[in-house]
Amino acid sequence: EDKVVQSPLSLVVHEGDTVTLNCSYEVTNFRSLLWYKQEKKAPTFLFMLTSSGIEKKSGRLSSILDKKELFSILNITATQTGDSAIYLCAVEGWASGTYKYIFGTGTRLKVLA
Amino acid sequence: EAGVAQSPRYKIIEKRQSVAFWCNPISGHATLYWYQQILGQGPKLLIQFQNNGVVDDSQLPKDRFSAERLKGVDSTLKIQPAKLEDSAVYLCASSSKTGAVSPLHFGNGTRLTVT
Repeated sequence: EDKVVQSPLSLVVHEGDTVTLNCSYEVTNFRSLLWYKQEKKAPTFLFMLTSSGIEKKSGRLSSILDKKELFSILNITATQTGDSAIYLCAVEGWASGTYKYIFGTGTRLKVLA
Repeated sequence: EAGVAQSPRYKIIEKRQSVAFWCNPISGHATLYWYQQILGQGPKLLIQFQNNGVVDDSQLPKDRFSAERLKGVDSTLKIQPAKLEDSAVYLCASSSKTGAVSPLHFGNGTRLTVT
């Protein structure tokens, strides 16, 4: 059965700390991996990764994919209280005649001032 | 570009009542998804449309849930009758995927409380 596992489940840090969030997967016919930030209700898109070893970067956030070891990490440097959110990982794979996304349970990050 | 629109934002109903949610995807997006997100969990796919055809409804509880996407644009998701365990946020998402890799874009969701 396809699955996506995120770790840690929750994390509390202080402003200025660096955090690393993990996403491992077992998905049939992998096509892409996506990271989302969910603050209130709607997940907002952060990164889409399709190739191993190519870092995607946006400000203090960066992410990389390892298709051999089947995982991705999301790094946040110099954390701010506004980074407090749930970070979701979704993996796209092929099953039952279509591409579909499977989500992990998320990592809840709390950044203290 | 306008985002994915959903309504209502909140809904409170009693068990055994019915409820309907509406979604308007980003213009031109062929693929539309309905997800259920229970507190503390990741989104779970209920149904996926490609244009106005269903491509995956394997996790839709068909005895009580139904969805349609007439004319390949707007979509409605209905629950009848609702159960306590249906309390969740219902997220609609769309993507421009027509064979190409593209991210999901989510609406703000509808928070359903069943009492």
